[in-house]
Amino acid sequence: GAGVSQSPSNKVTEKGKDVELRCDPISGHTALYWYRQSLGQGLEFLIYFQGNSAPDKSGLPSDRFSAERTGGSVSTLTIQRTQQEDSAVYLCASSFMRGRNPAGETQYFGPGTRLLVL
Amino acid sequence: GQNIDQPTEMTATEGAIVQINCTYQTSGFNGLFWYQQHAGEAPTFLSYNVLDGLEEKGRFSSFLSRSKGYSYLLLKELQMKDSASYLCAVRGPGGSYIPTFGRGTSLIVHP
Repeated sequence: GAGVSQSPSNKVTEKGKDVELRCDPISGHTALYWYRQSLGQGLEFLIYFQGNSAPDKSGLPSDRFSAERTGGSVSTLTIQRTQQEDSAVYLCASSFMRGRNPAGETQYFGPGTRLLVL
Repeated sequence: GQNIDQPTEMTATEGAIVQINCTYQTSGFNGLFWYQQHAGEAPTFLSYNVLDGLEEKGRFSSFLSRSKGYSYLLLKELQMKDSASYLCAVRGPGGSYIPTFGRGTSLIVHP
């Protein structure tokens, strides 16, 4: 595909509702990352997928957050019982991991989903 | 863990040169990235340094000193479109391929 795509681009929800955010990585990219960016803050790592498995989910802030990836491609990030502090831009990135030393792999970011919890 | 420091905001004049610094303290090091992020848009890759020295790419150059835990991004012949946030990101050791991002430096270019 042309690039990483995310949907929806904007989401407004009421406190307590569940939301699902979607990421379509670049075709052939095996690694997928979710980040959160709050106003004036840096990118906060949430979870990383290699294929369909998540070797590192250390950044998920609470058990209300979960993510899955199917077919080594599309990923969904689900936030249950949303809170106002969940309001942020959620960014997805993908990279093509080559061999055993992917240190130089560049992450390509999607446009993000802007989530506002009222 | 990793700690990354960069100035919050910088201003410069169109046509000038600006240097954005980034210092880091990490338990290991496996490369440093610079990304550009325009307001409301996704970060885009600018440069990657893993060895000491200067990497030049057109108007943008990036420098790394691993012994000092220091990098800078140099922007020459500034244009108004260079007004953006510049993110420094450091990749950790071993199998930790997830880069840690700094808070970004907001660069304002004025006429």
